[in-house]
Amino acid sequence: DQQVKQNSPSLSVQEGRISILNCDYTNSMFDYFLWYKKYPAEGPTFLISISSIKDKNEDGRFTVFLNKSAKHLSLHIVPSQPGDSAVYFCAASAGGSEKLVFGKGTKLTVNP
Amino acid sequence: DAGVIQSPRHEVTEMGQEVTLRCKPISGHNSLFWYRQTMMRGLELLIYFNNNVPIDDSGMPEDRFSAKMPNASFSTLKIQPSEPRDSAVYFCASSRTGGNQPQHFGDGTRLSIL
Repeated sequence: DQQVKQNSPSLSVQEGRISILNCDYTNSMFDYFLWYKKYPAEGPTFLISISSIKDKNEDGRFTVFLNKSAKHLSLHIVPSQPGDSAVYFCAASAGGSEKLVFGKGTKLTVNP
Repeated sequence: DAGVIQSPRHEVTEMGQEVTLRCKPISGHNSLFWYRQTMMRGLELLIYFNNNVPIDDSGMPEDRFSAKMPNASFSTLKIQPSEPRDSAVYFCASSRTGGNQPQHFGDGTRLSIL
């Protein structure tokens, strides 16, 4: 029973264009969401988070949007750079719990 | 600041052997997490500690797995006896205690059980 789903295993975009990574969740108790980036042979690195009291959070080139009614969040990267090529994981937690539930990741490739 | 440090980075051993994975969390972080990553199941939480006390071990797959945190700067995950299906990448992460805190991951231990 996958509570956090990233339905696109991979995504390829051109440098300078927008990358949109999507994530769906099924547990309506989730109220805190995070995105992590992972390079090969390294651990996941925290990128950006959003609380359910917001619908948008922005940090430089990265913006996360949350649609609670659709149980959907997305990560926008603008403009995309080759160094953004990595696997991106969506994660969620509920009610202040420290337990994170992760999606299986989306591999982003940004082509020069 | 040093990040989460895991050792060894790679471990290859034969079925039936005991395996011990080590983790040093970020100083000042009072919560520590052990994860396992496989192709089939993705990244799954095995156990986590608050202030050196195990809080939730519901993700530990079997009694062959055990974890300890004897002090604030060190934790181990032990598998005894190991089996080929335990082959995976094991990550340790730490965070400040409390909800809605990002977890910071080590670079993982790639474990291969032959």
